[in-house]
Amino acid sequence: GAVVSQHPSWVICKSGTSVKIECRSLDFQATTMFWYRQFPKQSLMLMATSNEGSKATYEQGVEKDKFLINHASLTLSTLTVTSAHPEDSSFYICSAYSGRGEDTQYFGPGTRLTVL
Amino acid sequence: AQKVTQAQTEISVVEKEDVTLDCVYETRDTTYYLFWYKQPPSGELVFLIRRNSFDEQNEISGRYSWNFQKSTSSFNFTITASQVVDSAVYFCALQSFAGAQKLVFGQGTRLTINP
Repeated sequence: GAVVSQHPSWVICKSGTSVKIECRSLDFQATTMFWYRQFPKQSLMLMATSNEGSKATYEQGVEKDKFLINHASLTLSTLTVTSAHPEDSSFYICSAYSGRGEDTQYFGPGTRLTVL
Repeated sequence: AQKVTQAQTEISVVEKEDVTLDCVYETRDTTYYLFWYKQPPSGELVFLIRRNSFDEQNEISGRYSWNFQKSTSSFNFTITASQVVDSAVYFCALQSFAGAQKLVFGQGTRLTINP
């Protein structure tokens, strides 16, 4: 089956620092990756769609300059939370889409970010 | 605009009871996918089922069953003879048929199975 990994699984940082989260498709090439954010006891909200080799498409209300997304290869997308603040503390989940005719996204295990 | 509504925020039942989680969706697309995911306390999303909009056959997988009714835009999920391990948050989601389209999630239903 298709496996997606995320690193780190959890991170604690000080306010004002930047944090990078990696999303990797381990056994398939992902033409598209998605980044979701989930606050405690809430649903998953799409932040952005990341296509390999092109700029990410951000959902309305998501700050592009704060949440930098890079999809430099077909197996790796990164989300960088710049100048993180306590309100950015959340569970970040990525998913990858192979584009091989399967219309199913494969989800990573998530990264829990806590900003002090 | 697409929307998924899971009206039940929390459900609590005693082990071995049957429980149904409701899901109602809105879309203008004629073809689409519907999903159910389980999210245990670890946070990782567990894929349960994907249903095409043109396939209204109900599906059963062990203790799990799904009832898809296009006429009422509903895709309900039933757990028969519930077990404590079924305790989790369950999400219903909608996706356009073509290409790598984003998933629209419902608010989730927190299911607690008490021993």
